Amino acid sequence: QSALTQPASVSGSPGQSITISCTGTSSDVGSFNYVSWYQQHPDKAPKLIIYDVSYRPSGVSNRFSASKSGNTASLTISGLQAEDEADYFCCSYSRSVTDWLFGGGTKLTVL
Amino acid sequence: QVQLQESGPGLVKPSETLSLTCSVLNGSLDNYHWHWIRQSAGQGLEWIGRVHTTRGKNFSPFLGSRVTLSADTSKKQVSLTLTSVTAADSATYYCARGHYCTGSSCSHWYFGLWGRGTLVTVSS
Repeated sequence: QSALTQPASVSGSPGQSITISCTGTSSDVGSFNYVSWYQQHPDKAPKLIIYDVSYRPSGVSNRFSASKSGNTASLTISGLQAEDEADYFCCSYSRSVTDWLFGGGTKLTVL
Repeated sequence: QVQLQESGPGLVKPSETLSLTCSVLNGSLDNYHWHWIRQSAGQGLEWIGRVHTTRGKNFSPFLGSRVTLSADTSKKQVSLTLTSVTAADSATYYCARGHYCTGSSCSHWYFGLWGRGTLVTVSS
């Protein structure tokens, strides 16, 4: 079961922007700025693209940005490119029954 | 650069025990929490547990007492043992490096480094 709620899929045309939401609770997303996002291409390991709500690791395109409001975090990808087509997962530290929670993942299709 | 490499049997029989190892290449286990995360085919990510060489370990309550984690500093390896496996435990298992703690402070609260994953199938 996924404790953080993400849309199953989103799509956009090249050059457009899309936003993926990630909804948790006051025990996780709402309480900690330890929200991270991961990109996963088919048959590959997840790759960190956002940490601490809105920070990009070195080497990650500035087309990726993220924020948080209350119990919901959001990832925005601007200037969509074909290579952005992948699954995206959010993750948050939690003070509930388990330390770390993941979202169910969102499949991004670049039309 | 530091790399993680998971290893273990690709096939395990139902009710038996799954044992996986994660080797830390070009680095050490010191100060970081080391995590196991799994992903069933076409599904999302599930956190299994974490281990630190000096700060103990914690597990997902959904796996209960079936999980054992250990860390061997000299071998630079972390290990996962999952008992009484069923088909529901079939997944790709990832080792990941988590947050960094020294003294009373911690940082890097994310999974910044992942192994390639190892596919485990539970079947007779």
